[in-house]
Amino acid sequence: EVQLLDSGGGLEQPGGSLRLSCAASGFIFSNYAMSWVRQAPGKGLEWVSLISGSGGTTYYADSVKGRFTISRDNSRNTLYLQMNSLRGEDTAVYYCAKDRLAAGHDYWGPGTLVTVSS
Amino acid sequence: DIQMTQSPSSLSASVGDRVTITCRASQGISNYLAWFQQQPGKAPKCLIYAVSRLQPGVPSKFTGSGSGTDFTLTITSLQPEDFATYYCQQYYSYPRTFGQGTKLDIK
Repeated sequence: EVQLLDSGGGLEQPGGSLRLSCAASGFIFSNYAMSWVRQAPGKGLEWVSLISGSGGTTYYADSVKGRFTISRDNSRNTLYLQMNSLRGEDTAVYYCAKDRLAAGHDYWGPGTLVTVSS
Repeated sequence: DIQMTQSPSSLSASVGDRVTITCRASQGISNYLAWFQQQPGKAPKCLIYAVSRLQPGVPSKFTGSGSGTDFTLTITSLQPEDFATYYCQQYYSYPRTFGQGTKLDIK
């Protein structure tokens, strides 16, 4: 059974940093790309970033480019999102999602809430 | 970036009804279109990928169709658990983009 468990959210001040993690199990982690998707309170879904199975290719939304870094440790079956220079508009629930490049996000974690506020 | 426009933004229906949600892409996306269902306070769930392919375990009451830039999600015989928010997403190019969502509630 595929399981994704995102963690690392919390309250951070504007300009601060947080690192999110997503522990994966139930599939061969290194065979699949992974994504982060976020949802601001009361708003719709926004794709944030994707990393290939090997970790060698990454993509970012313009809204986070240069501030967020996606990475993975295939030996630990874990996905990360390093979030720097946080802004109020980064406040959201962040979901990790398993990605089949020809089939989209087929499994999602439960989400972790990031609040950026002074 | 490819813009995804869903309509309607909200929809009221009764148990047993059939509803259709549409999604239009600002440019052609081949068949790289998925539909997600989200219950309040829960993670999204993938219903359909590649326009019309059901995720394993998703009932056949959900049907996707379309091509090019215009796509639809049809739900038949609505049950209480189907009342949720639905999103389309293109994964043809980066950045991947979602529609703004369609909230389906009980009339």
